Amino acid sequence: EVQLVESGGGLVQPGGSLRLSCAASGFTFSNYAMSWVRQAPGKGLEWVSSISGGGGGTYYADSVKGRFTISRDNSKNTLYLQMNSLRAEDTAIFYCAKCGGYTGYDRYDYWGQGTLVPVSS
Amino acid sequence: EIVLTQSPGTLSLSPGERATLSCRASQSVSSGYLAWYQQKPGQAPRLLIYGASSRATGVPDRFSSSGSGTDFTLTISRLEPEDFAVYYCQQFGTSPLTFGGGTKVEIK
Repeated sequence: EVQLVESGGGLVQPGGSLRLSCAASGFTFSNYAMSWVRQAPGKGLEWVSSISGGGGGTYYADSVKGRFTISRDNSKNTLYLQMNSLRAEDTAIFYCAKCGGYTGYDRYDYWGQGTLVPVSS
Repeated sequence: EIVLTQSPGTLSLSPGERATLSCRASQSVSSGYLAWYQQKPGQAPRLLIYGASSRATGVPDRFSSSGSGTDFTLTISRLEPEDFAVYYCQQFGTSPLTFGGGTKVEIK
């Protein structure tokens, strides 16, 4: 059974940093791209970043480029999102999602339960 | 950026009725690179359909999709109580990957 479990969310002040983690199990982690998708309170879904199965390809939404860094440790079956220079508009539930293929251009066939990141002073 | 516009914003229907949801793209999207998701309150999204009309694992056959180019449709043939939720379309063929704003299917 595929499982994705996010952690690391929590209240952070504007300008602060946070690192999210997503522990994956139930599939061969290194064979699949992974993504982060966020959802602001009461709003729709927004793609944030994706990383290829081997980690060599990374992709970012313009809204987070230069502030967020996606990475993965295939030996630990874990996906990360380092978030710096956080802004109030980054407040959202952050979901980890497994892509259907090796590259970042694919549907999201499994999702974690999400971790909430409120950015507020 | 490919903008996806979903309509209507809210669809009020009764169980047993047919639901037709629209997703219109600002540029052509290969049907192989379009997906539909369902999200219930307090839950993560769930993949329903991807590609031309491939249902994800465990998705009942009352869910189907059609369309090409810039116009796509998700159809729920007969609404079950568990189908009342928000539905999102997504294109994943062109960066940035984008989602539509969602259609809420509510009980009339």
